[in-house]
Amino acid sequence: QKEVEQDPGPLSVPEGAIVSLNCTYSNSAFQYFMWYRQYSRKGPELLMYTYSSGNKEDGRFTAQVDKSSKYISLFIRDSQPSDSATYLCASRSGGSQGNLIFGKGTKLSVKP
Amino acid sequence: DSGVTQTPKHLITATGQRVTLRCSPRSGDLSVYWYQQSLDQGLQFLIHYYNGEERAKGNILERFSAQQFPDLHSELNLSSLELGDSALYFCASSVAQGGDTEAFFGQGTRLTVV
Repeated sequence: QKEVEQDPGPLSVPEGAIVSLNCTYSNSAFQYFMWYRQYSRKGPELLMYTYSSGNKEDGRFTAQVDKSSKYISLFIRDSQPSDSATYLCASRSGGSQGNLIFGKGTKLSVKP
Repeated sequence: DSGVTQTPKHLITATGQRVTLRCSPRSGDLSVYWYQQSLDQGLQFLIHYYNGEERAKGNILERFSAQQFPDLHSELNLSSLELGDSALYFCASSVAQGGDTEAFFGQGTRLTVV
């Protein structure tokens, strides 16, 4: 079992839809959770960073972490064609072990 | 722009050759991480350096090596290249070596081995 599992999609939604992207993780030591957006052939861009369970909101984006079920979600409200990209979830444990463990990414397409 | 600079952007080389990929972290960041991204494997962690010292190794082949210099830039050396080494190679940087710090990625080096 991979430490971070993510449905690769692809996911296609109409413009304006609410998008839900999800990951599960298996390592109980993971304490920090991130969502990255990656456009084709570009570097991953940090979108959201959370530490504790609960919700964190930034504009149209909401990151949700449920540590009891080891579930990570990213919600995108009022999705736009410019949101079309691959979304990667990542987790890391605490302490000095700083490398991020990534899911394989979900490819999202928002149709006008 | 994340502030992390990688060169070159593209590299085409033959099997058996050796290449060096370079990464300049964001100003003030002491940690550099290297990742390999291929279509079927996603982003795979290779190696982590903090302030010049190796901190962690992931799925890095023995043919690959890395170092971080006193000015904090890092180089990833890939030798005896094989077709399967063709991938995107990313570096990321962060202020600290782990825990509660964000990691920012460069634009990557696309390596094609022919």
